[in-house]
Amino acid sequence: AQSVAQPEDQVNVAEGNPLTVKCTYSVSGNPYLFWYVQYPNRGLQFLLKYITGDNLVKGSYGFEAEFNKSQTSFHLKKPSALVSDSALYFCAVRAGNTGGFKTIFGAGTRLFVKA
Amino acid sequence: GAVVSQHPSRVICKSGTSVKIECRSLDFQATTMFWYRQFPKQSLMLMATSNEGSKATYEQGVEKDKFLINHASLTLSTLTVTSAHPEDSSFYICSATQGLAGAYEQYFGPGTRLTVT
Repeated sequence: AQSVAQPEDQVNVAEGNPLTVKCTYSVSGNPYLFWYVQYPNRGLQFLLKYITGDNLVKGSYGFEAEFNKSQTSFHLKKPSALVSDSALYFCAVRAGNTGGFKTIFGAGTRLFVKA
Repeated sequence: GAVVSQHPSRVICKSGTSVKIECRSLDFQATTMFWYRQFPKQSLMLMATSNEGSKATYEQGVEKDKFLINHASLTLSTLTVTSAHPEDSSFYICSATQGLAGAYEQYFGPGTRLTVT
């Protein structure tokens, strides 16, 4: 069965500092991995995805994520945080070609960036 | 990026009435649409998956007679909450993908806040 874990309910970081939001997954076969961001009372916005190829994936708003197969992780990172990055972040996984369309979302990590 | 709209953004209805929520893909054809429910400070709970022209596939525990889903075209899906009760109050979010392959990301609507009084 597919599962996603986001071990931190909340991450606090000062503006200008690097940020990391953690995600680990469990899936049969090759994973398709996604990060989404949600602002208050809004739907989710796609940030980036890993399907195949280079383990380091770059996405929107300066975010990037690194796929680590041995650690089954897909941590979201940004070199320099902005106050406007404060939001709820969801990691999601779908089992490769066998997973159909069902995407499993993590519980979410709330990011607070302080000025 | 692709845009998905939802209407209404907020709705208040009385217990026992039905409410319809529309989800539209504005600039792409949505092969598959999803309906989620999100409780405060919680993740998204998938309710059902629908492909254009076919019946929706409901997740375990979701009553298909209560949450009617219609995916009549490649750009429109509707969720009707029938005989709504206060416990149906929630944030409902739809999303859509452009292709059949699992590698496609989902595009989400802005959500609909339903309050049943």
